[in-house]
Amino acid sequence: RKEVEQDPGPFNVPEGATVAFNCTYSNSASQSFFWYRQDCRKEPKLLMSVYSSGNEDGRFTAQLNRASQYISLLIRDSKLSDSATYLCVVSLNAGKSTFGDGTTLTVKP
Amino acid sequence: GAVVSQHPSRVICKSGTSVKIECRSLDFQATTMFWYRQFPKQSLMLMATSNEGSKATYEQGVEKDKFLINHASLTLSTLTVTSAHPEDSSFYICSASGERGGSNEQYFGPGTRLTVT
Repeated sequence: RKEVEQDPGPFNVPEGATVAFNCTYSNSASQSFFWYRQDCRKEPKLLMSVYSSGNEDGRFTAQLNRASQYISLLIRDSKLSDSATYLCVVSLNAGKSTFGDGTTLTVKP
Repeated sequence: GAVVSQHPSRVICKSGTSVKIECRSLDFQATTMFWYRQFPKQSLMLMATSNEGSKATYEQGVEKDKFLINHASLTLSTLTVTSAHPEDSSFYICSASGERGGSNEQYFGPGTRLTVT
């Protein structure tokens, strides 16, 4: 079993749609959780950290359920520019991170 | 602006040669740097973790004699792919971790695309 598993995707949605990505992790000792965005042939960029209390940044909402070892990312009112691969990242200790395989999102006009 | 740079951004080399990739933290001291590799349509895989002034810790399956890592200063780490082969062709990304602006985050470099012919 992979340490970090994500929805396989791809997700193809129309502009304005709401889309949710899920991620599960296997190591209960994991401490930090993130969603990264990666555009084609570019480096990953931090989208947002994920906290137990849930956090929101504009159209993006991330949630963490430690009991179920589950992380989610919700994107509301999708824009064309949201098209990218979204990576779920889990860190066991300071800095060392395990990446999920990513979920590809394509937002269409 | 960019906080971690990598050089070169692209490199094409012949099989059997060695290639050095540099990773620099631009405005903070990176106590730890990480080297990742990403093959097409796959996720990033951690290759090794390096702390300034000490030997790198390699992940299982990564040959330390083939992928030489040097973290000589708090702002520079290098990855040398020795005797490169076509199967080493990949996207290599470094990240740096250290205190910056009061927080301790991981910042990624822009990546180096290596093609071995």
